[in-house]
Amino acid sequence: DIVMTQSPDSLAVSLGERATINCKSSRNILYSSDNKNYLAWYQQKPGQPPKVLISWASTRESGVPDRFSGSGSGTDFSLTISSLQAEDVAVYYCQQYYNPPFTFGGGTKVEIK
Amino acid sequence: EVQLVQSGAEVKKPGATVKISCRVSGYTFTDFYLHWLKQAPEKGLEWLGLVDPEDGATIYAENFQDRITLTADTSTDTVYMDLSSLTSDDSAIYYCAAGGTSDDGFNRFGPWGQGTPVIVSS
Repeated sequence: DIVMTQSPDSLAVSLGERATINCKSSRNILYSSDNKNYLAWYQQKPGQPPKVLISWASTRESGVPDRFSGSGSGTDFSLTISSLQAEDVAVYYCQQYYNPPFTFGGGTKVEIK
Repeated sequence: EVQLVQSGAEVKKPGATVKISCRVSGYTFTDFYLHWLKQAPEKGLEWLGLVDPEDGATIYAENFQDRITLTADTSTDTVYMDLSSLTSDDSAIYYCAAGGTSDDGFNRFGPWGQGTPVIVSS
């Protein structure tokens, strides 16, 4: 199984400041035949299902604010919130969809400092 | 509007089987794989398996393959998850989610159901 390791476990950032979450996969999830990284980022707020923010490591989903961005390739990835807003308080997960079983990172809780 | 609507909360005794449904609307049912995921209290997300509604093909996570059955009913645009031999460790919220196709391969999980809480208690 591909193990996804996120860091940090939690993060407190002031409003308007940058938040960066890291995700490392135990294997390369860049598929050579299409040159795509099979990596997604999700946001989960209390009492709600996860919502996909980013797919293919860096493609923002429709309707996702542009303060959210994803980067990285191969085994190392990151999600950045460029200017934290109050509504961004949530738990964020990375996920690989390269191969089943599709595995998630342990989650990063983002709070306001 | 794409919607995945799951059945309601369940309370089961240890050793029992739970059946959860996920009804799809707003897109062609057979267009996307349907996945099932588990989220135990204050825990992360665990993928349980997928079903291809087009032909009923399934892939199960190894940890659950002896206890889980996923089926799809094209007459009602509904997928079902049966999980048997329940223990307290199965107490969790279970989600369905759509993503990927047999033609284009695996993809991120797009729309999600609202979640179904399952409590296993004697």
